[in-house]
Amino acid sequence: DTAVSQTPKYLVTQMGNDKSIKCEQNLGHDTMYWYKQDSKKFLKIMFSYNNKELIINETVPNRFSPKSPDKAHLNLHINSLELGDSAVYFCASSQADRTTDGYTFGSGTRLTVV
Amino acid sequence: AQSVAQPEDQVNVAEGNPLTVKCTYSVSGNPYLFWYVQYPNRGLQFLLKYITGDNLVKGSYGFEAEFNKSQPSFHLKKPSALVSDSALYFCASRGGGGAGSYQLTFGKGTKLSVIP
Repeated sequence: DTAVSQTPKYLVTQMGNDKSIKCEQNLGHDTMYWYKQDSKKFLKIMFSYNNKELIINETVPNRFSPKSPDKAHLNLHINSLELGDSAVYFCASSQADRTTDGYTFGSGTRLTVV
Repeated sequence: AQSVAQPEDQVNVAEGNPLTVKCTYSVSGNPYLFWYVQYPNRGLQFLLKYITGDNLVKGSYGFEAEFNKSQPSFHLKKPSALVSDSALYFCASRGGGGAGSYQLTFGKGTKLSVIP
């Protein structure tokens, strides 16, 4: 059983389209995250949700909208895709009150905007 | 505020030689420190962590890391590198307390290349 699963693994789309990436975790964690990894491999946090509530919203264009229907799911919807959105997007989860634990990551979604 | 620095973008080492990937940190309170590895086209995998106790922690795949509070650093080491160790390595910290301490802060990553 995959602990943190993301779909799709690869996504190729045209500029201007709207797309979603889904993430699910079966670890019983209460906090989920979206990270963006750019072409230089830098990992930048985008959003964090704790028990379905947004707790971190870094400087991200409002074309990006996270949605958490329950604490096991955190989806990322992107409107009006731009070339600069091309990157690998990672979902992760953790238990907020267990700060001695790290995060568990999904395998990533490689988004290519053409 | 907490920060993690990985001063080297790339480390090259010959197979069989010892390897070190450097990490320094700035965290208020007692830091919780982590190393993750990312193989090509894969997600990040946990390698090891330091929480408290013995300064030398051992992790997966023969890796170990030494916590040095005075420097302060948490360098990743392996006595004998394998070609299969070639990957991107991330150091991360989680603050020891206070608001936002649950958040994991990552360094910018170091690409390790082990040459046959």
